[in-house]
Amino acid sequence: GAVVSQHPSRVICKSGTSVKIECRSLDFQATTMFWYRQFPKQSLMLMATSNEGSKATYEQGVEKDKFLINHASLTLSTLTVTSAHPEDSSFYICSVPDWYNEQFFGPGTRLTVL
Amino acid sequence: KNEVEQSPQNLTAQEGEFITINCSYSVGISALHWLQQHPGGGIVSLFMLSSGKKKHGRLIATINIQEKHSSLHITASHPRDSAVYICAVLDGGSQGNLIFGKGTKLSVKP
Repeated sequence: GAVVSQHPSRVICKSGTSVKIECRSLDFQATTMFWYRQFPKQSLMLMATSNEGSKATYEQGVEKDKFLINHASLTLSTLTVTSAHPEDSSFYICSVPDWYNEQFFGPGTRLTVL
Repeated sequence: KNEVEQSPQNLTAQEGEFITINCSYSVGISALHWLQQHPGGGIVSLFMLSSGKKKHGRLIATINIQEKHSSLHITASHPRDSAVYICAVLDGGSQGNLIFGKGTKLSVKP
């Protein structure tokens, strides 16, 4: 299966700043990557589907201008949280589906906005 | 939209016990994942199955498509099995993202 890395693993930032999270597929060319978010004691929720070479597809309620996704290559998708606020504090995790739609997850990024 | 229900929400077991976690979903699916999430947050895919039964070491997953139900079994449980186990179904209406259950927090005591 795909090996997926994410960077950074943990970030603390001040309110109003922007934070970029990288998701890399190390051994599989990923035309699609998924970005999920998990608030404490809740289940993971899909934020957006990242598509290589085209615009991301956002889930209802997720602001595309706040959560910028760029999928410029088959191995890298980035999620930028712009003008972060404390309510954006969460665990962000990406996944890469293989040819059979089995999902392989990155280790996640824990974002804390002060 | 598919609703994924897991039970129990929390489970405490003694080392060596046989454990069963259940998952049911509301709409027919093409595949179901069982995932393991450790306290640090990292998620590991244990199984993806669309029919029947799969076994890997002490873990067994079964699925009944007609009843829209799946179970994850752990034989001879060990404290290192302590984690959150998540059932997730493939969303057939999209590009293949998952819809997740709320998870079952398992704690195995020595």
